[in-house]
Amino acid sequence: AQTVTQSQPEMSVQEAETVTLSCTYDTSESDYYLFWYKQPPSRQMILVIRQEAYKQQNATENRFSVNFQKAAKSFSLKISDSQLGDAAMYFCAYGPPSGTYKYIFGTGTRLKVLA
Amino acid sequence: GAGVSQSPSNKVTEKGKDVELRCDPISGHTALYWYRQSLGQGLEFLIYFQGNSAPDKSGLPSDRFSAERTGGSVSTLTIQRTQQEDSAVYLCASSLGAGAWATEAFFGQGTRLTVV
Repeated sequence: AQTVTQSQPEMSVQEAETVTLSCTYDTSESDYYLFWYKQPPSRQMILVIRQEAYKQQNATENRFSVNFQKAAKSFSLKISDSQLGDAAMYFCAYGPPSGTYKYIFGTGTRLKVLA
Repeated sequence: GAGVSQSPSNKVTEKGKDVELRCDPISGHTALYWYRQSLGQGLEFLIYFQGNSAPDKSGLPSDRFSAERTGGSVSTLTIQRTQQEDSAVYLCASSLGAGAWATEAFFGQGTRLTVV
């Protein structure tokens, strides 16, 4: 069965600094998707970034980038130039390959941004 | 609609009462998912719909939980005889299809259920 592990329950970063959130996963599949979702206090889960497992190039979205290490089954999120609005819970998620459907989520990392 | 809509936003109920939680997915999304988020926990998969069918109900924690989807659109999650351990945020998500090749799950804002 697939699992997703986020070992950092809470992280803090100074405004304008860079922070990296860790995520490891386990699967026997070769093709899949990985996601980082942000959940602010409004509870709305917002997609931050998506990585396709068959792509070697790491995904980037403005200040957000990932370090995808397929062999190590590691998928970390780097937030550059942190802003106060980045404060939220961040969830790493494994997206199923075609034909299945069950998204698997980690337990989340609470990110605090210090002014 | 423009996004996934869930109602009510918050629900307080007495132990033993039944509750219904509603999810209105994005128009055209055939796949719909219910997840439960308990305090300090990640998201726990409850049930998945493809159209009106629920091929996988394995995540439902007990027979007090049931869900249906009508017209390939709105879904209702029903919890009978609520217990305090049912207190959680119930999140609904939808996607274009079950396959992940070109989709991601879009989430609603959830229903916070408190059983007192």
